[in-house]
Amino acid sequence: NAGVTQTPKFQVLKTGQSMTLQCAQDMNHEYMSWYRQDPGMGLRLIHYSVGAGITDQGEVPNGYNVSRSTTEDFPLRLLSAAPSQTSVYFCASSFGQGANYGYTFGSGTRLTVV
Amino acid sequence: GENVEQHPSTLSVQEGDSAVIKCTYSDSASNYFPWYKQELGKRPQLIIDIRSNVGEKKDQRIAVTLNKTAKHFSLHITETQPEDSAVYFCAAGGGYQKVTFGIGTKLQVIP
Repeated sequence: NAGVTQTPKFQVLKTGQSMTLQCAQDMNHEYMSWYRQDPGMGLRLIHYSVGAGITDQGEVPNGYNVSRSTTEDFPLRLLSAAPSQTSVYFCASSFGQGANYGYTFGSGTRLTVV
Repeated sequence: GENVEQHPSTLSVQEGDSAVIKCTYSDSASNYFPWYKQELGKRPQLIIDIRSNVGEKKDQRIAVTLNKTAKHFSLHITETQPEDSAVYFCAAGGGYQKVTFGIGTKLQVIP
């Protein structure tokens, strides 16, 4: 099993550009999430999904969209990149439909918006 | 929503000593409390977790305790080693709730 695969690992965007961060898992996990990690602020939840076709907002959803058309994939879209979105982004998945089991994290995407 | 507070933010211990990291949570509906270790430049990895029907759980040198009444839980690392140096995150969740993380504790083990 590959676990949770995130692409790309690094990305530089110009302000106003859009892009999609890809996340795929091969563990048949129902629960998937996107977090951003900034120095001194821990891991903050952007969006999460309890199963295919179901998504919900986390604590910092503005400027991001998600969709969950399959169990395996959970892409994160930046609509119009801003310097404040410079961060490390982690995708994570877990067994079951709720927040009842530990996460498996992807390796992260380091995004810089200039 | 859930609010998780974690302290200290940094912790230095001598090799062989114990380290304790504490977290508090606000939502009494939370019933799952995992701990993650993140080494520099790497992804967080689950090291231990505890559920609300258990007061303590141990795995070799690592233990976690939970006090539901006071809404706090703690990570205990005994006989610390240099490879324990990392950032440790607590989190709270359960059911169909979101998983909320603490801000992290940077642990430095001094040889």
